Amino acid sequence: DGGITQSPKYLFRKEGQNVTLSCEQNLNHDAMYWYRQDPGQGLRLIYYSQIVNDFQKGDIAEGYSVSREKKESFPLTVTSAQKNPTAFYLCASSKTGGNTGELFFGEGSRLTVL
Amino acid sequence: EDKVVQSPLSLVVHEGDTVTLNCSYEVTNFRSLLWYKQEKKAPTFLFMLTSSGIEKKSGRLSSILDKKELSSILNITATQTGDSAIYLCAGGTSYGKLTFGQGTILTVHP
Repeated sequence: DGGITQSPKYLFRKEGQNVTLSCEQNLNHDAMYWYRQDPGQGLRLIYYSQIVNDFQKGDIAEGYSVSREKKESFPLTVTSAQKNPTAFYLCASSKTGGNTGELFFGEGSRLTVL
Repeated sequence: EDKVVQSPLSLVVHEGDTVTLNCSYEVTNFRSLLWYKQEKKAPTFLFMLTSSGIEKKSGRLSSILDKKELSSILNITATQTGDSAIYLCAGGTSYGKLTFGQGTILTVHP
C-alpha cells in the first residue's frame, strides 16, 4: 500500500545526543515536509523540500538538520543544539509542492528527552 | 514570516449544535487554504480552497474562503461526538511552503 512511513514511533534520548527520525514515502511525491507539534498546539514547520538535493528552512529550523538524497526519503536529525526537543514530529508529502496541494501525513514520531 | 491564526482555540458543545471555526492568514504569495482534522496522530485532509467565495461541502462540513478578508471558516452542522478533534487550517504558498495555525480543539459532549 502507498503511504508515508515514519520510524521510530517512540524514541527516548539523553540530553546531548543527536537522534535521526526516518521518513519514507512510496507515493512518488515531489515535496516532503517536517513539522513539530507540542501538546495542544498546531504544527510548526521545521524544514521542507520540493525536489531531491534541495530543501528550505521552515519557521523553527534551529537545532535541526535534514537531507534529501533520494525522492523517497527525508530524514530529520534532531541535534543537541535543539533546546527543547521533546515533541511529536510529523512528516508529510505532497504531489507537487509548487502548487501547494493536499499533504499526506505519516503516523508521527514521539521524541522524549530524558 | 507567514502567519496563520485560528479561533477559538477551544470549543465545547453538545451533540446537535452547529459550530463555526475561524482561520485568518497572512501568507506571502498565498495560493491555497487547507483544513485538516486531527484525532489521534496523523491529520486527515478535509478541504483545500483556492477561490474566494466558493463553498466546499462534504456531508455536515463546509468551508469557504474570503481572500479580501484573508480568512476562512469551517462550519460543522449537527455535531456528533465523533467530530471531537483538533481542527487545523494552513496557508499554502505558490512555492510549496505550508504554514499551520495553532488549531481549534473541539469537544462534542453527548
